[in-house]
Amino acid sequence: DAKTTQPNSMESNEEEPVHLPCNHSTISGTDYIHWYRQLPSQGPEYVIHGLTSNVNNRMASLAIAEDRKSSTLILHRATLRDAAVYYCILRGLDSNYQLIWGAGTKLIIKP
Amino acid sequence: GAVVSQHPSWVICKSGTSVKIECRSLDFQATTMFWYRQFPKQSLMLMATSNEGSKATYEQGVEKDKFLINHASLTLSTLTVTSAHPEDSSFYICSATRTTGTKTDTQYFGPGTRLTVL
Repeated sequence: DAKTTQPNSMESNEEEPVHLPCNHSTISGTDYIHWYRQLPSQGPEYVIHGLTSNVNNRMASLAIAEDRKSSTLILHRATLRDAAVYYCILRGLDSNYQLIWGAGTKLIIKP
Repeated sequence: GAVVSQHPSWVICKSGTSVKIECRSLDFQATTMFWYRQFPKQSLMLMATSNEGSKATYEQGVEKDKFLINHASLTLSTLTVTSAHPEDSSFYICSATRTTGTKTDTQYFGPGTRLTVL
């Protein structure tokens, strides 16, 4: 699986939008982009995933660059409960559905 | 839907004893289950991948005789830490994938089990 690069941490104010970037310059044509988040002392929680087109769900939006070498997870209105480590992961079709975890971005929400 | 549970949520044991952790998919059949370990302030490390009815595939550096994995049914996988030592103290997390027809879903994670070995 290709590698991803994320900032170590980001801060945002409560009730403001948050844009979490992820670089994946070595992504292959069949790699899906997955985002998970992990709250303190809990298992990871699926957030969203996509291949080429931008995706929206009740939790977030995923904006994928046209060349697919980067993506951005968008939380439209952050709350204190969104404080977590956010992981951007690439998963290939032949990876036995394994997820290779990087260090992630620790999102700090200020009240 | 797609809920994964783990039991126990935390356990403290003496050095040299064995500990069994259960991972269950509550509302779906899990074709594949994964076991991870996470040390404080670190990311998840994949330990092994298991498919129902077959032997688990362990990642490099993970001792299969120490971390016994049994995936006896499509809804249950167990991880047994044998002869546990303080360095095995960690947060153990399982996940499961769901297949509907020919489409395989993403991974759904359990809440984790905190193991402390004294």
